[in-house]
Amino acid sequence: GNSVTQMEGPVTLSEEAFLTINCTYTATGYPSLFWYVQYPGEGLQLLLKATKADDKGSNKGFEATYRKETTSFHLEKGSVQVSDSAVYFCALSGRGDQGGKLIFGQGTELSVKP
Amino acid sequence: NAGVTQTPKFQVLKTGQSMTLQCAQDMNHNSMYWYRQDPGMGLRLIYYSASEGTTDKGEVPNGYNVSRLNKREFSLRLESAAPSQTSVYFCASSFYSGRTDEQYFGPGTRLTVT
Repeated sequence: GNSVTQMEGPVTLSEEAFLTINCTYTATGYPSLFWYVQYPGEGLQLLLKATKADDKGSNKGFEATYRKETTSFHLEKGSVQVSDSAVYFCALSGRGDQGGKLIFGQGTELSVKP
Repeated sequence: NAGVTQTPKFQVLKTGQSMTLQCAQDMNHNSMYWYRQDPGMGLRLIYYSASEGTTDKGEVPNGYNVSRLNKREFSLRLESAAPSQTSVYFCASSFYSGRTDEQYFGPGTRLTVT
């Protein structure tokens, strides 16, 4: 079945450091891929998405490229801020899944220190 | 626009008690979802409703029932709570038209079963 694997956290960085959070997936066909972010005490919100191979999703300085050859969708940001401290979830949805179900990775907690 | 609302925010139950978690959305979405979030396990789908009048099991449906009351509301019921159901529960909604799009999440309900 479909699955998502993320790098384990927590990840602790200093402000302005480069961020990479790895995400790989297993799926049949051509899934859509998503990154969601969860700030403390809140629900998840969409950060970015990509719907086909080689697409690059971007938002708020974060980027991720849909790599079908390596089945990956790594999240990157060139210079993190304290306000980026949150839990990040990679997710996929297979084409044709009824009702748009999402399958989530286990989440990666990011802590950015001043 | 309130988005997705959930009640209650917090709840403590004793083993064997029952309760219903309420969820409502005001975005005219057709699909709604219930997830549970446990440490190190990401979000797991409990039940979903692709459209008004339909519900289907997700990954972890045992011990839960759902009702899609109308297009706006989707409730989750625990008939006989167990300590294993201690978790944070999130409701989400989306507009699904055969291709998965962004899911919008509520703020969550933190449930403790003693």
